[in-house]
Amino acid sequence: DGGITQSPKYLFRKEGQNVTLSCEQNLNHDAMYWYRQDPGQGLRLIYYSQIVNDFQKGDIAEGYSVSREKKESFPLTVTSAQKNPTAFYLCASSSRRQGIRETQYFGPGTRLLVL
Amino acid sequence: AQSVTQPDIHITVSEGASLELRCNYSYGATPYLFWYVQSPGQGLQLLLKYFSGDTLVQGIKGFEAEFKRSQSSFNLRKPSVHWSDAAEYFCAVVGQAGTALIFGKGTTLSVSS
Repeated sequence: DGGITQSPKYLFRKEGQNVTLSCEQNLNHDAMYWYRQDPGQGLRLIYYSQIVNDFQKGDIAEGYSVSREKKESFPLTVTSAQKNPTAFYLCASSSRRQGIRETQYFGPGTRLLVL
Repeated sequence: AQSVTQPDIHITVSEGASLELRCNYSYGATPYLFWYVQSPGQGLQLLLKYFSGDTLVQGIKGFEAEFKRSQSSFNLRKPSVHWSDAAEYFCAVVGQAGTALIFGKGTTLSVSS
């Protein structure tokens, strides 16, 4: 079955530690996105990528980094510079055939907690 | 700047009753609008979307939404709610850069028996 997988489901970060969240899709989508969800805040865009080896900052990119070396994969690193990383992180992907009118499909999410 | 407002943080509806979730957007041009649903601890699932044409759009699970340009609204409706509809609902609009979605803060729906 085609879809988006995110791992791990839960992730614990210690002070000063960088952690990486995985996002993989087998939908042959060109565009991929990372959102952060906080209670009562909706979803906010962290980074997005429309093509391999290219990505752009979203509204809240500070303290995060990404890479897009393969079409299927868009990992997100939460660095030690992100002072409030506790949140639910959602990855999404979409085709680019009709640009932004294409539906974004979401993964199941990763919950990041700080120890 | 574009924005999406969902005025109701939490709504409780009796099972079998009708439902309307409100969404107002701020956007200069013709908006591309979406409604997503999220079950606890899960990702988001698309319910329906509006790009152009008929202002009443049908979605999955018996949901529909009506685009009203004069009111800058895109309200989600369902004639008869089921207990399984309890979830969080998000309205979203395509950002002006045309690259990502801008989400409202969501409305949590509870269904009472």
